[in-house]
Amino acid sequence: SAVISQKPSRDICQRGTSLTIQCQVDSQVTMMFWYRQQPGQSLTLIATANQGSEATYESGFVIDKFPISRPNLTFSTLTVSNMSPEDSSIYLCSVEATEAFFGQGTRLTVV
Amino acid sequence: AQSVTQPDIHITVSEGASLELRCNYSYGATPYLFWYVQSPGQGLQLLLKYFSGDTLVQGIKGFEAEFKRSQSSFNLRKPSVHWSDAAEYFCAVATLGFQKLVFGTGTRLLVSP
Repeated sequence: SAVISQKPSRDICQRGTSLTIQCQVDSQVTMMFWYRQQPGQSLTLIATANQGSEATYESGFVIDKFPISRPNLTFSTLTVSNMSPEDSSIYLCSVEATEAFFGQGTRLTVV
Repeated sequence: AQSVTQPDIHITVSEGASLELRCNYSYGATPYLFWYVQSPGQGLQLLLKYFSGDTLVQGIKGFEAEFKRSQSSFNLRKPSVHWSDAAEYFCAVATLGFQKLVFGTGTRLLVSP
């Protein structure tokens, strides 16, 4: 089973700034996914990140706001740009293995 | 498009009583179905999954789920609930080729003494 590590686990940020979240997997995977969980809500997919290609964004999410990097088969980053309080959420990464494992998430609070 | 419905937002069960959490899905092909649990302040933990074969799936922590194609359901059950089971439970369906997971809105389980 894949082990997924996310950094940071939580952060409090000022509005207008950006935060980059890192996701490290202990094995090589083709696809990595970034989800957002707003307070009291379910999970929504932000984008799919494949190594060597541009990320694919879901409706309602744009690259300028959530740029994603995927430099190799074990690592990805998600940046939350120009943050506002509405971006306060838990951000989780996942991999496409059949178990669909998740990292522990990054709890972001924007003040 | 795929969708998942969890009709119960909150459920309260007495400790030691049985539990059933409902999940209905909408998907045109054979679904890949998952149940996750999320404790407060924690990430998602996979309880069980269904891909094919036996429609009764056993998971961790004493949970099981039954896939019923005729009812488009994948309900989660546990015969005897423990106080530590209090958490948020999410049902999810995977799209073809595991392109992504579509989640239900979740059911919050409260366990009373």
